[in-house]
Amino acid sequence: AQTVTQSQPEMSVQEAETVTLSCTYDTSESDYYLFWYKQPPSRQMILVIRQEAYKQQNATENRFSVNFQKAAKSFSLKISDSQLGDAAMYFCAYRSPRGANSKLTFGKGITLSVRP
Amino acid sequence: GAVVSQHPSWVICKSGTSVKIECRSLDFQATTMFWYRQFPKQSLMLMATSNEGSKATYEQGVEKDKFLINHASLTLSTLTVTSAHPEDSSFYICSAMRTRYEQYFGPGTRLTVT
Repeated sequence: AQTVTQSQPEMSVQEAETVTLSCTYDTSESDYYLFWYKQPPSRQMILVIRQEAYKQQNATENRFSVNFQKAAKSFSLKISDSQLGDAAMYFCAYRSPRGANSKLTFGKGITLSVRP
Repeated sequence: GAVVSQHPSWVICKSGTSVKIECRSLDFQATTMFWYRQFPKQSLMLMATSNEGSKATYEQGVEKDKFLINHASLTLSTLTVTSAHPEDSSFYICSAMRTRYEQYFGPGTRLTVT
């Protein structure tokens, strides 16, 4: 079974600075999908960024980018120019491409605080 | 992104009663929907996978007779908590899968059982 590990429960960043959230996963599959979701205090889950494993190029969405290291099974999220609105809980997630009802496997999450 | 609605957003019910939570995909059809439970400061715990027109698949440890799931159409799934008890109080989140690459979440329902 696949597992997703987010070893840091909390992180803090100064506004306008850059922060990197780490995520590792374990799988025997060669193709899969990886995601970062944000859950602000409203508790609405928001997709931040996603990556298909067969794509070597790291995904980027505005201030958010990933460092996808397939051999190391690492999928870290970099937030540049941090803003107060980035304060939230962030979850890394994995999905297998196989199976009709393939489910997301979530990490435990990391709480990010942004200092003004 | 696509929109998933969830209703109600907050419900209080008395112990022993049942409560129904609705989840709708507003601008796409979802053959597969998921129901999660989340405790404060914790990750999402998958309760069941719901498929349109068929029985839901429950995760190990989830009581299927207590948490009834019905996926009546391609845009609607419901979760009914039967004979609710205070320990069922939690935050419940539904999610709809448009493709394997796209899964969208509802805003959640806070259930309080008194």
